[in-house]
Amino acid sequence: GAVVSQHPSRVICKSGTSVKIECRSLDFQATTMFWYRQFPKQSLMLMATSNEGSKATYEQGVEKDKFLINHASLTLSTLTVTSAHPEDSSFYICSARDSGRGTQYFGPGTRLLVL
Amino acid sequence: GENVEQHPSTLSVQEGDSAVIKCTYSDSASNYFPWYKQELGKRPQLIIDIRSNVGEKKDQRIAVTLNKTAKHFSLHITETQPEDSAVYFCAATTNTGGFKTIFGAGTRLFVKA
Repeated sequence: GAVVSQHPSRVICKSGTSVKIECRSLDFQATTMFWYRQFPKQSLMLMATSNEGSKATYEQGVEKDKFLINHASLTLSTLTVTSAHPEDSSFYICSARDSGRGTQYFGPGTRLLVL
Repeated sequence: GENVEQHPSTLSVQEGDSAVIKCTYSDSASNYFPWYKQELGKRPQLIIDIRSNVGEKKDQRIAVTLNKTAKHFSLHITETQPEDSAVYFCAATTNTGGFKTIFGAGTRLFVKA
C-alpha cells in the first residue's frame, strides 16, 4: 500500500509551548489529508480536514486557533498544537487520501505528552 | 452528520473459528466503506474495502458484505489466528461537500490459541 510518514513519532514538551507535527505522503499526491486524535482504547476522532492550497475544515468542538493546520504542498500537511496543555496529551494520527485510488492511508502517529 | 455504529465492542473467539463484526451507517450518501486493523501503538492498516456498487468482496480469509438498503456492512474473518488479535475499525466515507471518513468505535478482537 501507499506510504504516509509522520514526524515526530513521540514528543514531550512543557505546558505552554507549541508543537509541530508533519505528515507526508511519500509515493502519491494527496490533495486532502486528515488529522485525527485517538485516546487510549478509543476510536479515531476526526479533528480537521486539510486541503492543499486552502483553509482546513475543522470539526465541531475543535479550536482552529489552537490546532493550526497548513497544507502547503500535495505531499505535506502540518499540525501545530499551540500553547499546549496537559489535556492536549494524546495520540495524533494523520492520514492522506490517494485521490487516484480513493483510499485513505494512515501515518504512524505522534504521541504527544505535555507536562 | 454521518454516524457509524459498530458492534460488538469486544469479541473473543477460539483459534480457527470465524469472527463477524457489524456496522451501520446513517448517511445514505456514503459510498465507500474501508476496514482498518490497528495493533497496539501502531497505525491503522487498511485490510479490505468495499464500494457502494458492490455487495460483497473477499480477500483470502477476510470478506466484507454491504447492504445499502439497510445501511449496514460487515467484516467476516474465517479460520482466525492469534495474529488476527487487534482492534478493527469500520468506516463510512462520503464525498458530499468534501471527502470525509467517519469511523466506528472499534471492536477489540481476541483470538485464543
